Amino acid sequence: DVKVTQSSRYLVKRTGEKVFLECVQDMDHENMFWYRQDPGLGLRLIYFSYDVKMKEKGDIPEGYSVSREKKERFSLILESASTNQTSMYLCASSFPPTGVRGETQYFGPGTRLLVL
Amino acid sequence: AQKVTQAQTEISVVEKEDVTLDCVYETRDTTYYLFWYKQPPSGELVFLIRRNSFDEQNEISGRYSWNFQKSTSSFNFTITASQVVDSAVYFCALSEMEYGNKLVFGAGTILRVKS
Repeated sequence: DVKVTQSSRYLVKRTGEKVFLECVQDMDHENMFWYRQDPGLGLRLIYFSYDVKMKEKGDIPEGYSVSREKKERFSLILESASTNQTSMYLCASSFPPTGVRGETQYFGPGTRLLVL
Repeated sequence: AQKVTQAQTEISVVEKEDVTLDCVYETRDTTYYLFWYKQPPSGELVFLIRRNSFDEQNEISGRYSWNFQKSTSSFNFTITASQVVDSAVYFCALSEMEYGNKLVFGAGTILRVKS
């Protein structure tokens, strides 16, 4: 069965803190994604990765960075959290590797981040 | 311009009513994929269906059905005899060949089914 897990369901941080959101998938998927979800805006892609140590910017990468040291783990980093980064963060993964399009993405349960 | 438009922000129905969620998309690709996801109150997006641009056959899965019409760039989702457990946010999404495996989501439609 498909399984994507995220390290926290709820997180409260202070402005200026460095924040790490972790995502792990156990399906041996090459592709992993980070989205943020805001009311009325749907999901917007922050960063994605097609392979270990590889990353590409999505539509809204500003204020974020990512790390993919192992195939199963994809971390989202807020270098200096700001209040406008209060949001729901969703991680997803998909198979197969680059070159084949349109594969289904499977999502984790999400992390609700509040930055005070 | 928005690539995926879900014009209905929120819909409320009474149990057993049929309900249709609209999705209109915009693309210049001839090869693309359309998806529907359900997000219940727990937060996790649940995959419902994936359809490629060459397959215009309508699909039925239990109480769920999907109507794909390339002529109007629409991929609508109908729930027959709705139930309280159908209450969720529903997202339509588009994946285009030109943009690899990236999904572009609509804003979502909140469906409330009352008993």
